[in-house]
Amino acid sequence: GAGVSQSPRYKVTKRGQDVALRCDPISGHVSLYWYRQALGQGPEFLTYFNYEAQQDKSGLPNDRFSAERPEGSISTLTIQRTEQRDSAMYRCASSLAGQGTDTQYFGPGTRLTVL
Amino acid sequence: AQSVTQPDIHITVSEGASLELRCNYSYGATPYLFWYVQSPGQGLQLLLKYFSGDTLVQGIKGFEAEFKRSQSSFNLRKPSVHWSDAAEYFCAVGTTSGTYKYIFGTGTRLKVLA
Repeated sequence: GAGVSQSPRYKVTKRGQDVALRCDPISGHVSLYWYRQALGQGPEFLTYFNYEAQQDKSGLPNDRFSAERPEGSISTLTIQRTEQRDSAMYRCASSLAGQGTDTQYFGPGTRLTVL
Repeated sequence: AQSVTQPDIHITVSEGASLELRCNYSYGATPYLFWYVQSPGQGLQLLLKYFSGDTLVQGIKGFEAEFKRSQSSFNLRKPSVHWSDAAEYFCAVGTTSGTYKYIFGTGTRLKVLA
């Protein structure tokens, strides 16, 4: 079956613009995670959904970042008034039942560049 | 604080040579441990994972890892490296409660010489 997909794969925007990044998890996966990966670093947790409920947003860096998963499937990560420091790879992952022993399956990521 | 350390940023080995990538973690309990591989333009692919039981775990592509509680380590090994193994490797700790989020190390980039 299809894996996790993300769109767009690449996004270049100007400082101050809003961007929306989309994640389409594996069908039937209950849990969805967003991570951010800066160049030369490992992914860092941003937020977590169980079905449509955002249960942890402790990793979101500030209130310009928000995420939703309104129907418990596709998720959108929105960054308002982008800044150059927001440039990074944004990765989405999904897991079957949100248990610690479930594997998280990662998408290819969206490379965001803020000019 | 929970953390993962991968001391080697870059490693170069010759094709056919053995490989060991180091990973040390800091976590209050026995963690869930993972190794992922990232190839250019690809997502992170799971190589292997440890939850409990046998401390030597086998993964895909001929990789294995050993959990050593006394050393807080989970090193990745492969007896004979292939050119296609060139990639970036990430060790991760999975939290064992709450959101089960992952905490990743900074990665080790592997270069394979023909």
